[in-house]
Formats: sequence, structure tokens, C-alpha cells
Amino acid sequence: QLQLQQSGPGLVKPSGTLSLTCSVSGGSISRANHHWGWFRQPPGKGLEWIGSIQYSGTTYYNPSLKSRVTVSVDTSKNEFSLKLTSLTAADTAMYYCNGGELWFDPWGQGTLVTVSS
Amino acid sequence: EIVMTQSPATLSVSPGEGATLSCRASQSLGNNLAWYQQKLGQAPRLLIYAASTRAIGIPARFSGSGSGAEFTLTISSLQSEDFAVYYCQQYNDWPPLYTFGQGTKLEIK
Repeated sequence: QLQLQQSGPGLVKPSGTLSLTCSVSGGSISRANHHWGWFRQPPGKGLEWIGSIQYSGTTYYNPSLKSRVTVSVDTSKNEFSLKLTSLTAADTAMYYCNGGELWFDPWGQGTLVTVSS
Repeated sequence: EIVMTQSPATLSVSPGEGATLSCRASQSLGNNLAWYQQKLGQAPRLLIYAASTRAIGIPARFSGSGSGAEFTLTISSLQSEDFAVYYCQQYNDWPPLYTFGQGTKLEIK
């Protein structure tokens, strides 16, 4: 059974870069038709898709964030990562990684990222 | 972008009763819709995909129906652990641009 474990800092300065990693266990990240994704949820609000990647390295991004987002995969470490640049207070949210075909299960435990000086 | 609209925003139901949650898409999705449950302080949990297929380990009291632009999640005989926020998610766009409804909060009456 797949499990996802997130890591990365929870506090980032304005104009800085958010970097999170999601480690996959219980199975290979190199699954055909599988998408590995990042989502976020501002406090008290709904869910927003950030971007996804396949093991081949093919990426898909939300157009609203595309200019600031990079999602990458390291198949040798069985993990994938998120970078989000030029952060503002509006980027404060719980960030989740997950995996799936086009629906997503399982999800990582979440990382609360606060953008503050 | 496909806009997803859920109704009602909040639903108050007594334990043991049933609940019906609705999700409407701004364009036809076929059956490319999933439902998630999110409890306070937890990550979302997949309940239903392909509009009506229960995910592994999901109890039979959860059922999904609908196609096109109108979808329903039905929970029969509510248990205490079912009171949570429920989201629908479309995955019809290609290249993907996944969008969610704003959620329905299912609370104890």
C-alpha cells in the first residue's frame, strides 16, 4: 500500500521560495499512467491543484501558478518535489502531495506553510 | 476552467439518517468526477471515482451517481465518523486542470 511522507520547512519569508519533497513508500514512483501531484488549501478554504508530474518527467501545471512553479521527480530516490517562487502571504496554506491516475489517493500528511517575515 | 458548484454549503443531519450532497459542473464531464471526505485537521480521503466507483476500503453506505454535469453523493444511515467536509473534483480536462467544488460541510443536527 502506497504511503506518502512530506518534508520541508513550514515558514518561508516573503519573496522567498517554498521547497517541499514527497517520499513514496510501499511501491515504485515509476508507475505508468500515474500522476504525482501537489495541492494546497488556504486556512478555512477549499482545495487548489498546483501541478503534477509523471515518472517520465512530464509536468502539468495550474495556469494560475505556472510562472512560479516547478515540480520534479527523482526516480532513484522514489520521491518528487515542489518549488514555488516569489511567495506572498496569499501562498500561506496547507500543502499536500498525492498520487493517482486522475483521482488522488493516497495523500501525504500535509505541510502548513506560512509566508511571513 | 471547469467550475464546480456544490450544494448545499452546509447540511445538518441526525445520526442514522441519510444525506444527499450535490455537485454541478459548468460543462459536461462524462463520468470524470471524484468525491473526497476531509475531517478537521486531516488530509482529504478518496471516497468515489468515475462518478460511482467506491475506492478501496470505503463502506457501502457511500454511493455516487450522476453523469454529464450533475452528480450526487449519497450517504445512507450516517455514522458519527461521517460528519466532515465533502469535496467533488473533476478530472475531465486534458491537459489536466483539476478543479474542486467549494465543499459541503455535513454537520450533526
